[in-house]
Amino acid sequence: TQLLEQSPQFLSIQEGENLTVYCNSSSVFSSLQWYRQEPGEGPVLLVTVVTGGEVKKLKRLTFQFGDARKDSSLHITAAQPGDTGLYLCAPKTSYDKVIFGPGTSLSVIP
Amino acid sequence: KAGVTQTPRYLIKTRGQQVTLSCSPISGHRSVSWYQQTPGQGLQFLFEYFSETQRNKGNFPGRFSGRQFSNSRSEMNVSTLELGDSALYLCASSLAPNDRGLSYEQYFGPGTRLTVT
Repeated sequence: TQLLEQSPQFLSIQEGENLTVYCNSSSVFSSLQWYRQEPGEGPVLLVTVVTGGEVKKLKRLTFQFGDARKDSSLHITAAQPGDTGLYLCAPKTSYDKVIFGPGTSLSVIP
Repeated sequence: KAGVTQTPRYLIKTRGQQVTLSCSPISGHRSVSWYQQTPGQGLQFLFEYFSETQRNKGNFPGRFSGRQFSNSRSEMNVSTLELGDSALYLCASSLAPNDRGLSYEQYFGPGTRLTVT
C-alpha cells in the first residue's frame, strides 16, 4: 500500500497572500500530476511533472517535483478567489497506476 | 470539442437497489476510467477500460462492475447498494491507457452524485 500525504489538509487565506501546498510519499514515482477540483465539478489537470527537480510555472502557480521523485510542491503567488478549490496530487507509481492524494482544500477570501 | 459527459448528474436510491451510471468520453478518446470520491476516502480508482476491455481494477467488491461499448462510451453498475456507496462517481477519459507514456492526460467529467438512503 502506497502512503500518499498532502499538507495542509485545509488552508484559508486572504486574497493576495502566497501559499505552498505539499505532496509527500516514501515511494518513488515515475511522474506526478496536479489537479484542481471546484465544488460540483470533476478535477481539472493543471500540470504533469516527470523529471526529478523539475520546476514548471503556470501563470501564478509554480510546481516542483522533488529531486528523488518522492514529493512535490505547489506554490501560488498572490492568491485570488478563483484559486479556491481542492488541490489533488496524483503520482504515477512504478506499476503504472495513478493514485490520488487526499487533497488540500484551499479557500481564498476576497 | 465537447468534454466528458456523465448522466445522470444526481441520483437517489435505496439500499438493496442497483444503479447504472453512464459516461461519454471526449471524441477520439478510447480509454475510460471510473473513480469514487468520498470525503473520508478521497478519490479512489474503480476500473479502467480500453477498447472494450477492462485493463485495470481497483480494490472494490464485485458489486461494482463496468463495461465499455464499441463507441468508447462506458457504463458502471453497482448492485445491492449500501449506504456506504453514497459518493461522487467520476469518469475520466484519455486518448490511451495510463500505462502508455509518462505524460498521459485524463479529462474528468462533472460526476454523478449518488445518494443511497
